[in-house]
Amino acid sequence: GNSVTQMEGPVTLSEEAFLTINCTYTATGYPSLFWYVQYPGEGLQLLLKATKADDKGSNKGFEATYRKETTSFHLEKGSVQVSDSAVYFCALKTGGFKTIFGAGTRLFVKA
Amino acid sequence: EAGVAQSPRYKIIEKRQSVAFWCNPISGHATLYWYQQILGQGPKLLIQFQNNGVVDDSQLPKDRFSAERLKGVDSTLKIQPAKLEDSAVYLCASSLAGTMNTEAFFGQGTRLTVV
Repeated sequence: GNSVTQMEGPVTLSEEAFLTINCTYTATGYPSLFWYVQYPGEGLQLLLKATKADDKGSNKGFEATYRKETTSFHLEKGSVQVSDSAVYFCALKTGGFKTIFGAGTRLFVKA
Repeated sequence: EAGVAQSPRYKIIEKRQSVAFWCNPISGHATLYWYQQILGQGPKLLIQFQNNGVVDDSQLPKDRFSAERLKGVDSTLKIQPAKLEDSAVYLCASSLAGTMNTEAFFGQGTRLTVV
């Protein structure tokens, strides 16, 4: 079946460090891929998305590239800030329009 | 544009009691989802509506959970009777008519504690 696997957290970084959160997926067909973020006390919101192979999604300094050959969609940011502290969810959407989420990765950024 | 509205924000009930959650999606969004998010886990889809029809309810525990979306707009999710393991955040989300590319917009969620 379709599934998403993310690296376990928490991830703790100092401000201005480089961030990578790994995400791999299993899916039939060609899903669309998403990263959602949940800031403390807030609801889930879309961070970025990519809808076909080799597409790069980007937003707020975050990037992720849809890699069909490795079935991956790793999230990266060159220089994290304290305000990036949140839980990040990788997700895929299949032809049935059902969105399947990974378990989430909590990020702590220290000043 | 108003977001997805959910109520209540918090609910505490005893096991074997019943509870209902309400969701009003973004205007014009034909697709509505209910997710269950247990602490430390990602959201798990319970049911997906397209207008007022059910598209997917394969992971809905139908012996105790029910959901409806009358008139294809707002929706209610009910649990009767509740169990301790139902303690979770219940998220409602909506999206434009089902396509692969559109993202879901989430409400703030209802945190349910069953004691």
